[in-house]
Amino acid sequence: KNEVEQSPQNLTAQEGEFITINCSYSVGISALHWLQQHPGGGIVSLFMLSSGKKKHGRLIATINIQEKHSSLHITASHPRDSAVYICAVSYMEYGNKLVFGAGTILRVKS
Amino acid sequence: DGGITQSPKYLFRKEGQNVTLSCEQNLNHDAMYWYRQDPGQGLRLIYYSQIVNDFQKGDIAEGYSVSREKKESFPLTVTSAQKNPTAFYLCATWDRGRQPQHFGDGTRLSIL
Repeated sequence: KNEVEQSPQNLTAQEGEFITINCSYSVGISALHWLQQHPGGGIVSLFMLSSGKKKHGRLIATINIQEKHSSLHITASHPRDSAVYICAVSYMEYGNKLVFGAGTILRVKS
Repeated sequence: DGGITQSPKYLFRKEGQNVTLSCEQNLNHDAMYWYRQDPGQGLRLIYYSQIVNDFQKGDIAEGYSVSREKKESFPLTVTSAQKNPTAFYLCATWDRGRQPQHFGDGTRLSIL
């Protein structure tokens, strides 16, 4: 069974700060996902990656397959970035099921 | 616009009653999933279906049942056998390509 560990569990930042959320997993995966959940509960996929680095706007996601570790970075953070950020891993051989971390609650203060 | 519709957003039921949560999609995705979210815990897979008329148990299937009679629909029934059904339930779909799963907005179920 794969465990997905995220850190930190809670994070408070000042507007403009650079933010890093970390994720580690224990066994081989097909892909790693970063998801964003807003207070209403809906979830949006931010990144899906199996190697290297991806960037979208102020968000950057990296993965190190050998170390089984991924990071999500937010540059120039803004209060609208406040949300729960969830790391998940998927396995194509099991119907692309996702195994989720517990999430990181991010609050960005103005 | 294509998307996933979960209804209702909030659902209240008396203890001992079965309740069915709806998930409808017009994305034409083959695979559909039901996840449960509890406070402070990661989402957990209840059931998934890769094709019409077929579905598999996830990690916490006990006390739940599903059907997949149409590609667009994957309803989840929470039975009276589920000991702690109060939770947030999310439906997701996947189109089998190298794309991530799409999620609905969820249904929050409370047992009174």
